[in-house]
Amino acid sequence: GNSVTQMEGPVTLSEEAFLTINCTYTATGYPSLFWYVQYPGEGLQLLLKATKADDKGSNKGFEATYRKETTSFHLEKGSVQVSDSAVYFCALYAGGTSYGKLTFGQGTILTVHP
Amino acid sequence: EAGVTQSPTHLIKTRGQQATLRCSPISGHTSVYWYQQALGLGLQFLLWYDEGEERNRGNFPPRFSGRQFPNYSSELNVNALELEDSALYLCASSLGWDQPQHFGDGTRLSIL
Repeated sequence: GNSVTQMEGPVTLSEEAFLTINCTYTATGYPSLFWYVQYPGEGLQLLLKATKADDKGSNKGFEATYRKETTSFHLEKGSVQVSDSAVYFCALYAGGTSYGKLTFGQGTILTVHP
Repeated sequence: EAGVTQSPTHLIKTRGQQATLRCSPISGHTSVYWYQQALGLGLQFLLWYDEGEERNRGNFPPRFSGRQFPNYSSELNVNALELEDSALYLCASSLGWDQPQHFGDGTRLSIL
């Protein structure tokens, strides 16, 4: 079946540090890939997406590139801010028998200190 | 543009009772999805409704059910509540089955 694996957390960084959160996936066919962010007490917000190999999704300084050869979709940001502290979820949509279903990774807690 | 809205924000029930959770999608969105976010279990897909019909469901027992109304809003019903049903229930909507899903802030269901 489909699955998403995220790097172990939590991740703690100082403001302006470089961020990488690793995400790898297993899926049949050609899934669409997403990063969602969840701030404390809130639902999930779509951060960025990519729908085919070599696509780069970007938003609010965050980037991720769909790498089919390594089945990865790592999230990066060059300079994090305290306001980036949240839980980050990698997800895939594969369709087929999983129509309508997003498959999520376990989430990575990011804490940024001033 | 208003986002996905869910009600109530919090719901407290006891074992064996029934719970009803409500969701209004973004205007123009016809697909509604329900997910369970239980502590330590991550986000699990529950149900997908489109054009008033249930299109797919996750690996949950039949006591989890729902419906979608003609205005595309949706209800999730959970019967015979168990302690392990305590979770954040998230609703999402999309323009179509292959479009990105946008989430509400969730309903926190607590079972005492």
